[in-house]
Amino acid sequence: DIQMTQSPSSLSASVGDRVTITCRASQSISTFLNWYQQKPGKAPKLLIYAASNLQSGVPSRFSGSGSGTDFTFTISSLQREDFATYYCQQSYGTPPWSFGHGTKLEI
Amino acid sequence: EVQLVESGGGLVKPGGSLRLSCVASGFTFSSYSVNWVRQAPGKGLEWVSSISSSSSYKYYADSVKGRFTISRDNAKNSLYLQMRSLRAEDTAVYYCVREDYFNSQPLDYWGQGVLVTVSS
Repeated sequence: DIQMTQSPSSLSASVGDRVTITCRASQSISTFLNWYQQKPGKAPKLLIYAASNLQSGVPSRFSGSGSGTDFTFTISSLQREDFATYYCQQSYGTPPWSFGHGTKLEI
Repeated sequence: EVQLVESGGGLVKPGGSLRLSCVASGFTFSSYSVNWVRQAPGKGLEWVSSISSSSSYKYYADSVKGRFTISRDNAKNSLYLQMRSLRAEDTAVYYCVREDYFNSQPLDYWGQGVLVTVSS
């Protein structure tokens, strides 16, 4: 099974900051890598799919890159509503799917 | 508008059973694989099970294999998760999630979740 290692586990930042989260897969997953945002008490929301594609309706300050085993998620200029927990997830081949442990982005 | 609405959660004793349901609307349910993903209190996301559009393929996490059974009824736009031999570590919010096969299989729409508590 593919393991996903996400870092950092938590991150403190300010409004307007640029932040980056990384995710590493235990084997090559091409670009089958997705990013989600979760706010307390809410279901996760898909932000980026296939490593770098912005889901419809998601602001352009969110972006993703990478292929193979190493991936990056970036918020170019943090807004107050971006403080949440972010997860990476691989969707390579067939299940089992796996998630990173999450990054809690705090003010 | 795509909607996924879960039901069937609640409090159950260890060793007991529970059946979760999810009703889908706003898309052609029979064309998509669907998944169950869970989240224990204060913890991260854990994929549980997946079923293909025609029920030909079913997949399970090792942690639930042999205890949980996923099924669907395309005529009723419904997904199910039969859970048996429940353990305390199965306590979680369970999400019904659509898988977008057409775009590298991300989990693109999530239900609001249903809480399952396993406790004596």
